[in-house]
Amino acid sequence: GAGVSQSPSNKVTEKGKDVELRCDPISGHTALYWYRQRLGQGLEFLIYFQGNSAPDKSGLPSDRFSAERTGESVSTLTIQRTQQEDSAVYLCASSLPTGWGRNTEAFFGQGTRLTVV
Amino acid sequence: GQNIDQPTEMTATEGAIVQINCTYQTSGFNGLFWYQQHAGEAPTFLSYNVLDGLEEKGRFSSFLSRSKGYSYLLLKELQMKDSASYLCAVRDTSQGGKLIFGQGTELSVKP
Repeated sequence: GAGVSQSPSNKVTEKGKDVELRCDPISGHTALYWYRQRLGQGLEFLIYFQGNSAPDKSGLPSDRFSAERTGESVSTLTIQRTQQEDSAVYLCASSLPTGWGRNTEAFFGQGTRLTVV
Repeated sequence: GQNIDQPTEMTATEGAIVQINCTYQTSGFNGLFWYQQHAGEAPTFLSYNVLDGLEEKGRFSSFLSRSKGYSYLLLKELQMKDSASYLCAVRDTSQGGKLIFGQGTELSVKP
């Protein structure tokens, strides 16, 4: 597609429910990133995919969070048993394969605003 | 470990020049990025540095010193629309090339 697409744009869920957030990266972008941004805060790294594998899962806050990617394309971030502290904007970004000296800027989607009530 | 530091907020006057500093410590390094984020919007790319020195792009310039783990973003001829959060990010090669962001600097431009 023309840009990174995320869905839904807004999600309100009850505490304890599971949610699934979707990211469609730019075609040909093998690198994909998920971040969490709480109100007035910076971008908190969650997970990074190179192709379909995740070299670094260190940012996932707890075992309630998981992510997968298939076909070097769509990625889903799943949050199980949501808690109120999970309320935030979840941003997805994608980039071309990283390599020394290459300007592989990350392009961001508009994010999913998650509210847990 | 990884650590990226930038001032939390800055204020400047329309038409002036402002410099936003960023220091970083990462296990690996493959480039430093600056992004702009307006309230309620996604971050957008401003600049990229991988070698030491200054990169200029219109009213915006970015500088990098790898030996000092230091970068700055220079904004000239400030406009009201430049009021935004400015995010410094480093690509860390130690674990495959993830992109780590600082907390952002909230810039307010006053008339």
